[in-house]
Amino acid sequence: GENVEQHPSTLSVQEGDSAVIKCTYSDSASNYFPWYKQELGKRPQLIIDIRSNVGEKKDQRIAVTLNKTAKHFSLHITETQPEDSAVYFCAATRGYSTLTFGKGTMLLVSP
Amino acid sequence: DTGVSQDPRHKITKRGQNVTFRCDPISEHNRLYWYRQTLGQGPEFLTYFQNEAQLEKSRLLSDRFSAERPKGSFSTLEIQRTEQGDSAMYLCASSPPTSGVYEQYFGPGTRLTVT
Repeated sequence: GENVEQHPSTLSVQEGDSAVIKCTYSDSASNYFPWYKQELGKRPQLIIDIRSNVGEKKDQRIAVTLNKTAKHFSLHITETQPEDSAVYFCAATRGYSTLTFGKGTMLLVSP
Repeated sequence: DTGVSQDPRHKITKRGQNVTFRCDPISEHNRLYWYRQTLGQGPEFLTYFQNEAQLEKSRLLSDRFSAERPKGSFSTLEIQRTEQGDSAMYLCASSPPTSGVYEQYFGPGTRLTVT
C-alpha cells in the first residue's frame, strides 16, 4: 500500500517568512495529492490539492509543487501570518482507493 | 451549517461498553469515509461507502468495529467491547459524485475516551 512521509514534524517561522513542508510517497500510481490544515480542536480543512498531470498549483499565498519522478510534493506558504499556525497534513491516493496521510507538520508563526 | 456533521462530539465510556457514532455527510455526497486520528498522527483510513455499499475496509477495522450506511445518507460506526486503545478522534468525511475519492470534506469528529 501507499506510504507517505512528511517533514519536518515542527516548523517555526517569523511572521512574513516563507514556510515549506515536504512529503514523499511510495506508490508511483498515486495521482492526487491534497493538503489539509487542522487548527487545534477543529476538523481538517482542504486548502489546496494537485493532480499528477500538473507540476505546480498556486492559490494566493499557498502553492503546491509535485515531482512525479522523485515521488515528492511540497507545500509552500509565503508571507506567513499568525493565523497560518496549525498542523498541516499531506496525503496521497491512486484515486480509486482512499487517502493515505502523512503524520503532520505543526507550523508555528510568531508575530 | 451545510458541512459534514457528527454526533456526539465527545464520548466517554468504560472499557467493555459499546458505543455508536453518527455521521451526516454533505447533501448529495455519495461517498462517505471513516478515519481514526490519534494524537500527533494523521487520519488513518477505516472504511468507506459509495451510496449504501461498503467498498473498502482497512485492516485497522477489527471485528469489534462495524459501520453501516443503510439508505446511502447518514452512516453509523459502532465499536463493541471498547478497549483503551480505541481512544481516539473518529473523523467522518464525504466527497461528491463528480470527484471520486478526491476532495474529501471532513466533519468535526467524535472524540472517544475509554476509561
